[in-house]
Amino acid sequence: TQLLEQSPQFLSIQEGENLTVYCNSSSVFSSLQWYRQEPGEGPVLLVTVVTGGEVKKLKRLTFQFGDARKDSSLHITAAQPGDTGLYLCAGEDFGNEKLTFGTGTRLTIIP
Amino acid sequence: GAVVSQHPSWVICKSGTSVKIECRSLDFQATTMFWYRQFPKQSLMLMATSNEGSKATYEQGVEKDKFLINHASLTLSTLTVTSAHPEDSSFYICSARDQAGVPYNEQFFGPGTRLTVL
Repeated sequence: TQLLEQSPQFLSIQEGENLTVYCNSSSVFSSLQWYRQEPGEGPVLLVTVVTGGEVKKLKRLTFQFGDARKDSSLHITAAQPGDTGLYLCAGEDFGNEKLTFGTGTRLTIIP
Repeated sequence: GAVVSQHPSWVICKSGTSVKIECRSLDFQATTMFWYRQFPKQSLMLMATSNEGSKATYEQGVEKDKFLINHASLTLSTLTVTSAHPEDSSFYICSARDQAGVPYNEQFFGPGTRLTVL
């Protein structure tokens, strides 16, 4: 069974600060996706990274896929209260439609 | 695009009754849909993969006779929780894969259904 460990599990910071969330595994993935979920709602896809070393930016969010395609990071610059939510990474195995979800990082941005 | 709906958004039922949850892809066809369960403050746990026109594939430890899945069309999958008990209370989320033009497994999620069994 593949495992995706996210760290930190919980993070509470002040508005305007920067933060990084990590997603690590011992397995190689063909692609990795990041989702954000708000209470009582389904996850919303933020980005998909496919190539080892790939970096994608979405406004203040920067996503990176590790060179070996085993890990990923999400960096948020100048965090805002609207960034509050549960961040989930999910890895796609080669030739398998299933996604393995990470353990999740619950982020709270304090105004 | 890529909108997935679920119905109902919440349901309360008595122990021993059955509950059906619908998952629809509104603007795309999905030959594959997925059903997840999420406990409070936890990540998503895949229950089963639903394939249009064929039997669902259940994850280890998920009772297929308890969680009946039907994927009768390219836009609709249903999950029926049979003889529900309080321990089945949870947040159930479906997702669908937009097959067209996407080489990797991006899944689009429904808003979830909160089931409470009394």
